[in-house]
Amino acid sequence: KAGVTQTPRYLIKTRGQQVTLSCSPISGHRSVSWYQQTPGQGLQFLFEYFSETQRNKGNFPGRFSGRQFSNSRSEMNVSTLELGDSALYLCASSLPRTADGYTFGSGTRLTVV
Amino acid sequence: QKEVEQNSGPLSVPEGAIASLNCTYSDRGSQSFFWYRQYSGKSPELIMSIYSNGDKEDGRFTAQLNKASQYVSLLIRDSQPSDSATYLCAVIDNAGNNRKLIWGLGTSLAVNP
Repeated sequence: KAGVTQTPRYLIKTRGQQVTLSCSPISGHRSVSWYQQTPGQGLQFLFEYFSETQRNKGNFPGRFSGRQFSNSRSEMNVSTLELGDSALYLCASSLPRTADGYTFGSGTRLTVV
Repeated sequence: QKEVEQNSGPLSVPEGAIASLNCTYSDRGSQSFFWYRQYSGKSPELIMSIYSNGDKEDGRFTAQLNKASQYVSLLIRDSQPSDSATYLCAVIDNAGNNRKLIWGLGTSLAVNP
């Protein structure tokens, strides 16, 4: 069974640009969560989508947005990139309302220069 | 603000020894607890989940939960160099109708041959 697929794996962007990251969850998983991971802050929750609706949102500025499509694939977008947005962006999928935790994708390493 | 705390380490143990990783959480209402392992440059992978007080064993791993003390731990028996990684503790925050994981910053474990 295929895992969670994130694309691209690596990305280099300049300040002020925008970026779109993609996540395809495990087949049958309808919940997709996005996290930002940096060495100093650890894993920070960005948002969660379920059935094309944003169900939960973390404490990030409005430059961070996302969406989910009818096939459960999700995208997140970051506009007006800042140097501090350099991080590993992780997507995790899960069955809805399960207590069994999440399965993560390999992540997208974003570097803003 | 709900928090999950872990010693950052590094925790260094010799090969074959027992590694003990600890985690405390602030939300007394938390019911679901997870341990993830993250190798350098990789995404987190779920290794244990625990929901009831007491011990839960899976191979060389034992998770221990004490809700009264708001404490969850992970024991790794017969530690191997391949266990060298960062171990992340996560707790589900069920505030409202939405669910998200609250993460500790992780404990770095080094198993020395």
